[in-house]
Amino acid sequence: QGTLWESGPALVKATQTLTLTCTFSGFSLDTTGMCLIWIRQPPGKALEWLARIDWDGDVYYNTSLKTRLTLSRGSSKTQVALTMTNMDPVDTATYFCARTHSVVYPTIDLWGRGTLVTVPA
Amino acid sequence: QSALTQEASVSGTVGQKVTLTCIGNSNNIGTYDVGWYQQISPGSPKTVMFGDSLPSGIPDRFSGSKSATTASLTISGLQPEDEADYYCSTWDHSRSVWVFGGGTKLTVL
Repeated sequence: QGTLWESGPALVKATQTLTLTCTFSGFSLDTTGMCLIWIRQPPGKALEWLARIDWDGDVYYNTSLKTRLTLSRGSSKTQVALTMTNMDPVDTATYFCARTHSVVYPTIDLWGRGTLVTVPA
Repeated sequence: QSALTQEASVSGTVGQKVTLTCIGNSNNIGTYDVGWYQQISPGSPKTVMFGDSLPSGIPDRFSGSKSATTASLTISGLQPEDEADYYCSTWDHSRSVWVFGGGTKLTVL
């Protein structure tokens, strides 16, 4: 089945760089068709897709945030890391890691619990 | 403005059938299955529909369908625990981006 959990700082100052880690278990990102996705949700607002990394190393980014985002496989084979530069108060949100794979693509079948990141004004 | 269009709010009484819609275009919904996600704040989203397939553990009062560039989530026999925000999403191949709807707040009266 699998599990996902997000980790990173709860508080980030404006202009700093945020680094979030998604640690996963119960599946391999090397499996053909596997994808991990980052999504965020500002308080009281809708879900917003940030980035996607595929089993073959392909990475895709939200067009509006592309210049600020980097998604990569972590040092461990069970982690991916998302960095977002030049943080701003409008980036305050809960950040979710999620999974899709070829059987259900492009629907998401597994969600992390999310991690709240606050950027004070 | 979200790439997929959903009703801002829908309401229904217990036992009623309600349908939520998600409107896209040929590059997203017209090509791919749509996922539906239920979110009861302050929790994380939960997948309630893969296209027209029900994930394990989701009651069969939930059903999904699609016609051209519009996807629908129908809840037959609405229950109080169905009150939540519902989001739709899929992939857009023309822009290579994941797209979400703005969400529908479902209220059970």
